[in-house]
Amino acid sequence: DAGVIQSPRHEVTEMGQEVTLRCKPISGHDYLFWYRQTMMRGLELLIYFNNNVPIDDSGMPEDRFSAKMPNASFSTLKIQPSEPRDSAVYFCASSRSGGYNEQFFGPGTRLTVL
Amino acid sequence: KNQVEQSPQSLIILEGKNCTLQCNYTVSPFSNLRWYKQDTGRGPVSLTIMTFSENTKSNGRYTATLDADTKQSSLHITASQLSDSASYICVVGEYNAGNMLTFGGGTRLMVKP
Repeated sequence: DAGVIQSPRHEVTEMGQEVTLRCKPISGHDYLFWYRQTMMRGLELLIYFNNNVPIDDSGMPEDRFSAKMPNASFSTLKIQPSEPRDSAVYFCASSRSGGYNEQFFGPGTRLTVL
Repeated sequence: KNQVEQSPQSLIILEGKNCTLQCNYTVSPFSNLRWYKQDTGRGPVSLTIMTFSENTKSNGRYTATLDADTKQSSLHITASQLSDSASYICVVGEYNAGNMLTFGGGTRLMVKP
């Protein structure tokens, strides 16, 4: 299995621009998570889906952030408009229900907003 | 509020030496505790997962312990290697909270030759 795939790996954009991050979870996993990691705050859960349905989006910082999961193999995290304080590494993770629900993380997207 | 505290924040050791990382948590009700290793520029990778009834679990040179009474865990690394240089993150799962996890701030370990 290829693991969780994220794209792009790096994104540099200017303040005010729209940014879209993409994630392909591991096949067969029914949970998908979006995290943000910064030096100051560590890893923070933004939102997670179960069977393509958003379950908890309480970690989404503001209305500028939105996430979708149109099917079991694809999810997007969109920031519109982007701001410099959104600069961080964004991780996508997936897991299978049952057992320990171990989460497998993707390589992350490093976002820099100038 | 659920919290996971790790110490030390950073650590430098010489190759071949052992070290122990600490984790204290207030997550309740407790379900499981995980240790992740995160190499620079990569996503976290699971090292061990322990439930309430498990006191210790090993993964090669990594040994995690759990004391559910005192809500403490440790990760012991034996005979450290340069490749052990990474951040180690303690993560606690809440019972009946689905896949909700609480993350510690991590310990950044540097192993020097």
